[in-house]
Amino acid sequence: NAGVTQTPKFQVLKTGQSMTLQCAQDMNHNSMYWYRQDPGMGLRLIYYSASEGTTDKGEVPNGYNVSRLNKREFSLRLESAAPSQTSVYFCASSGTVEQYFGPGTRLTVT
Amino acid sequence: GENVEQHPSTLSVQEGDSAVIKCTYSDSASNYFPWYKQELGKRPQLIIDIRSNVGEKKDQRIAVTLNKTAKHFSLHITETQPEDSAVYFCAARASGSARQLTFGSGTQLTVLP
Repeated sequence: NAGVTQTPKFQVLKTGQSMTLQCAQDMNHNSMYWYRQDPGMGLRLIYYSASEGTTDKGEVPNGYNVSRLNKREFSLRLESAAPSQTSVYFCASSGTVEQYFGPGTRLTVT
Repeated sequence: GENVEQHPSTLSVQEGDSAVIKCTYSDSASNYFPWYKQELGKRPQLIIDIRSNVGEKKDQRIAVTLNKTAKHFSLHITETQPEDSAVYFCAARASGSARQLTFGSGTQLTVLP
């Protein structure tokens, strides 16, 4: 039981490049989330998916898109990366109550 | 939407002393309040949580209290140890939402040996 997994662990992009962050969970959770964490800013919700087939914007959705591929997988796409998107990205999943986090992706945009 | 404020932003205590971190929330409909511990370079880990129908919950050296009237909740760590040094985040979740959490900005706890 791996819990929540994310790939890649690290990524460096140039401004304007695109990439997709992958997230998968094996806990049969309905809800999945993408957060970004910047120094001193806590965790801010980018997008979430309450169940397979649905996605909704969180607090900071601009510049991102998501896909809930199936119940297990929830991906985050940056279409045209900007330096302001340099951050650590965490995926999380939730069943009935508790929310569990993946190990994170450290993204640098130069 | 929900707004969660957390204080203090940094806290240093001597090993063996107690540490208290406080959070306030704005949405009276919030009914679930977890606390996460994040060590440097690691993921946030759930350490304790409390639901709105309970006033206090303990787990060994960690306890959380909730005052619904005042809309604040606190994390108490007793007999602190160096391994308690980390960033702690509080969060709140309103009923009816897709289990979304709103997080506080975090408290860097340092336990001095």
